[in-house]
Amino acid sequence: SAVISQKPSRDICQRGTSLTIQCQVDSQVTMMFWYRQQPGQSLTLIATANQGSEATYESGFVIDKFPISRPNLTFSTLTVSNMSPEDSSIYLCSVVSSSGLDYEQYFGPGTRLTVT
Amino acid sequence: SQQGEEDPQALSIQEGENATMNCSYKTSINNLQWYRQNSGRGLVHLILIRSNEREKHSGRLRVTLDTSKKSSSLLITASRAADTASYFCATDDTGFQKLVFGTGTRLLVSP
Repeated sequence: SAVISQKPSRDICQRGTSLTIQCQVDSQVTMMFWYRQQPGQSLTLIATANQGSEATYESGFVIDKFPISRPNLTFSTLTVSNMSPEDSSIYLCSVVSSSGLDYEQYFGPGTRLTVT
Repeated sequence: SQQGEEDPQALSIQEGENATMNCSYKTSINNLQWYRQNSGRGLVHLILIRSNEREKHSGRLRVTLDTSKKSSSLLITASRAADTASYFCATDDTGFQKLVFGTGTRLLVSP
């Protein structure tokens, strides 16, 4: 299993500013992901955070808007840049723990962002 | 990736009743997973079923998978008020553990 913490848990930000969200895991993990959950919606994968190389972004998400760092196997940050009200969402990081052929994804508690 | 559909969108039952949620998806998958989310908080992994499996049980949970129909169902038996949450199916299309989530079912279990 993996225990994940995220900082901040919530924030209210003004449009045009940036916010960096931290994700800390209690053990070394290979796979780490960032997801977005817009109000009342399901989760959408933003990117895979790769240790030692650039993140891999999904369609519709770009590095300039969502820069990601992964300096080691237990930590990652996601920055939401030049924010607009449409960026108001819950942002969650997740990690994968494998057990044989199966695996589990563990999710952090999320960061609830409101942009005014 | 295209998001899966879940139905019903919302389900309201009494304690002790069974709850069934359905998930349909669009592409071939490596596995399908079900998650629970309480009140917009973090997700909890419930169960994973591989593409070559048809049914799986975990406690009060029963999951079925029909790859020919690209559909899955989650059955919660003898529901409790604590089961009140949103339930999401998620598919791993690529094998790289990048999940595509369904639209979710909001379950309300009344005492």
